Amino acid sequence: EPEVTQTPSHQVTQMGQEVILRCVPISNHLYFYWYRQILGQKVEFLVSFYNNEISEKSEIFDDQFSVERPDGSNFTLKIRSTKLEDSAMYFCASRYSGTGGAGQPQHFGDGTRLSIL
Amino acid sequence: GNSVTQMEGPVTLSEEAFLTINCTYTATGYPSLFWYVQYPGEGLQLLLKATKADDKGSNKGFEATYRKETTSFHLEKGSVQVSDSAVYFCALSPYNQGGKLIFGQGTELSVKP
Repeated sequence: EPEVTQTPSHQVTQMGQEVILRCVPISNHLYFYWYRQILGQKVEFLVSFYNNEISEKSEIFDDQFSVERPDGSNFTLKIRSTKLEDSAMYFCASRYSGTGGAGQPQHFGDGTRLSIL
Repeated sequence: GNSVTQMEGPVTLSEEAFLTINCTYTATGYPSLFWYVQYPGEGLQLLLKATKADDKGSNKGFEATYRKETTSFHLEKGSVQVSDSAVYFCALSPYNQGGKLIFGQGTELSVKP
């Protein structure tokens, strides 16, 4: 069964450094998402991406964050200048756009654990 | 606004016990509702879903019914196994908002032999 893959599984970065988290969504999916989960807290929506542009972003997704689909397969999340509070598990997800709209389930990767020192 | 509330965990049960994890939601319009499961060290996996009122989602012995009148989507299983130990997340996708998911806080289930 096709799956969403994320790399790396664990990223350790010094505060203030840039970090790029990578995702390969399922190949025929057209909607892409990033979520984060701070340890012990709920999974939070960051951003959704469709047709090569951001379709919605949360208030967490400030100017330090950006997303890109540089080619036909990768979907990246960049944090420009990391802060301690960016430490979290980041999940990528993708969804097929077909009949059913928002009822189509999202498929998640295993996540990247980002640790900011 | 849109939100999801789940019962507090952890929930500890003996094998073959009956499971209920409560989930209630607040949303405008007609959201789709989901249960996701997260096993240790893994990502979120879809367990079941329901897209309209009175729909029942089911998978692997788990069931949940979309109750619009009580704004609930409680997860049930008649007989849990040790392998069901995981964190369970209730989530909603607001109507006509691009499919983003809003999650509850998760409920940890531990099943003892």
